[in-house]
Amino acid sequence: GQQVMQIPQYQHVQEGEDFTTYCNSSTTLSNIQWYKQRPGGHPVFLIQLVKSGEVKKQKRLTFQFGEAKKNSSLHITATQTTDVGTYFCAGRGPLVSGGYQKVTFGTGTKLQVIP
Amino acid sequence: NAGVTQTPKFRVLKTGQSMTLLCAQDMNHEYMYWYRQDPGMGLRLIHYSVGEGTTAKGEVPDGYNVSRLKKQNFLLGLESAAPSQTSVYFCASCRGGANQPQHFGDGTRLSIL
Repeated sequence: GQQVMQIPQYQHVQEGEDFTTYCNSSTTLSNIQWYKQRPGGHPVFLIQLVKSGEVKKQKRLTFQFGEAKKNSSLHITATQTTDVGTYFCAGRGPLVSGGYQKVTFGTGTKLQVIP
Repeated sequence: NAGVTQTPKFRVLKTGQSMTLLCAQDMNHEYMYWYRQDPGMGLRLIHYSVGEGTTAKGEVPDGYNVSRLKKQNFLLGLESAAPSQTSVYFCASCRGGANQPQHFGDGTRLSIL
């Protein structure tokens, strides 16, 4: 079945340093979404990538979708304490019977920012 | 606008007891999901529904049942609770279609003793 792995599992950075998390799927994806979960909170949608090679930016966050649509990355420039949380990717697979496209969440990367 | 509401927020059960977790959304979303979140495991899909009256198994369905009698509600039942079901449970919903984001509830923290 479809598997989505994320690395690293944990990352501690000094405030101001950059951070990157990588997402890899065992199958080609239709699209990929990124979510952020603050400590004690629930996942919140950040962005969606659909096209091969797509790059999107949200302020200090840069999201990329691989050419083969099997991997993605999230890069944060100059981290701040407000970036603390767990970042999840969620890959949407091909159509299955009934028209539903399975969504598989990655294992997440927990980011800790040291002030 | 409440979004996705989960009840209860916390619950402690004894092994063998049963209970139902309720998820309600007021966004008229077609799709609803139940996930469990365990340390280091990410979000694992238990069951999902693509519309009123329909349900389907996800990645880890054993020991759980679901019902979607009304479009706005998605119920998750534990038939006979086991310590392995201690987890944080999240409900999510989204519009139908391929490119829609999921909206999550605040979660239910469930402990089975």
